[in-house]
Amino acid sequence: DTAVSQTPKYLVTQMGNDKSIKCEQNLGHDTMYWYKQDSKKFLKIMFSYNNKELIINETVPNRFSPKSPDKAHLNLHINSLELGDSAVYFCASSLGTSLIMFFGSGTQLSVL
Amino acid sequence: EDQVTQSPEALRLQEGESSSLNCSYTVSGLRGLFWYRQDPGKGPEFLFTLYSAGEEKEKERLKATLTKKESFLHITAPKPEDSATYLCAVQAERGGADGLTFGKGTHLIIQP
Repeated sequence: DTAVSQTPKYLVTQMGNDKSIKCEQNLGHDTMYWYKQDSKKFLKIMFSYNNKELIINETVPNRFSPKSPDKAHLNLHINSLELGDSAVYFCASSLGTSLIMFFGSGTQLSVL
Repeated sequence: EDQVTQSPEALRLQEGESSSLNCSYTVSGLRGLFWYRQDPGKGPEFLFTLYSAGEEKEKERLKATLTKKESFLHITAPKPEDSATYLCAVQAERGGADGLTFGKGTHLIIQP
């Protein structure tokens, strides 16, 4: 069983579109994250969320919004996609303060 | 601002040739330092967590060490399957759900 799963694996879309990436974890973790890995392979945190708070990296445009229907899911919605949004997006989860994160396999987003 | 610098960016070794990867960090109070392995097309996979200077952890051919300013990932007698990008990350004591600050990684290639 996959611990952290994301869909889709690949997402190709036009500039200006709205898209969502889904993430689910079956580890019973209480904190989930979204990271962006750019073309230089640099991983940067975008959001972290548990059932108490959402922490947003201040550099993330407000076109990006996380949505969590329950503790096991943290979806990423992106409005008005831009060319610069092209990257690989990783979902991750951890339990409490353990800080040991388990990552999904990534979603490669290409904006044309 | 927390910073993580990894060196070298890329390293090519012969099978059995031991070496070390460096991770230098600046953080406002270290809560934990993490090493991850990332294979192409996959998400980072957790290897080690180190919490205090002097701490060491081992797993198969890998050993991670920590000082107050840097961490080393020592690879002893590597095999081709050790080829991957190795990522170092830190988490600050301010904690909460801030997530991890990653370095850019060291791309390691082990030639048979």
